[in-house]
Amino acid sequence: GGIITQTPKFLIGQEGQKLTLKCQQNFNHDTMYWYRQDSGKGLRLIYYSITENDLQKGDLSEGYDASREKKSSFSLTVTSAQKNEMAVFLCASSFDWGGYEQYFGPGTRLTVL
Amino acid sequence: SQWGEENLQALSIQEGEDVTMNCSYKTYTTVVHWYRQDSGRGPALIILIRSNEREKRSGRLRATLDTSSQSSSLSITAAQCEDTAVYFCATDANTGKLTFGDGTVLTVKP
Repeated sequence: GGIITQTPKFLIGQEGQKLTLKCQQNFNHDTMYWYRQDSGKGLRLIYYSITENDLQKGDLSEGYDASREKKSSFSLTVTSAQKNEMAVFLCASSFDWGGYEQYFGPGTRLTVL
Repeated sequence: SQWGEENLQALSIQEGEDVTMNCSYKTYTTVVHWYRQDSGRGPALIILIRSNEREKRSGRLRATLDTSSQSSSLSITAAQCEDTAVYFCATDANTGKLTFGDGTVLTVKP
């Protein structure tokens, strides 16, 4: 078994601030993902990384940057926090891309003041 | 919903009843994932059904996939209180990207 760790669990920032969310996985999975979940909604893909040196934009990448520092870690940066993007950010990983189960972390809840 | 007409709904049933959740999708998919999400946690896969399968069972869970009508369903037999959660379906076109629906909030009452 493995685990996905997301830090911090709660993140509070000011409007316009640059904020970074971190994710670590010990599954030794190749592929990692960042999703945003608005209250009462499904998940929308922000960025994903198929392998260690890869970075792909998802459907909601505007306003975000991502970095795959190493195979086990994937960071997401909110470049300028806005009040309308208060949400839970979920990190996930999978053995490979396409047709494989995704394992999710517990999420980081972002509040923008 | 993000990608189709997953039947966003809240379902409330009594313990012991059967329940079925449906979703439909508009784009090509090779796999439909069904996830459950408990409060305060990330989603967890409960069943995955591929385009060459019409039905998949796992314990009290049964998923169906009809590629001609682009729809999938998840049924829970004899629901228990611990089945209370939000259930999502997600399509996977073998591109590395999952597209999620908005979810069904299931409440099972004792």
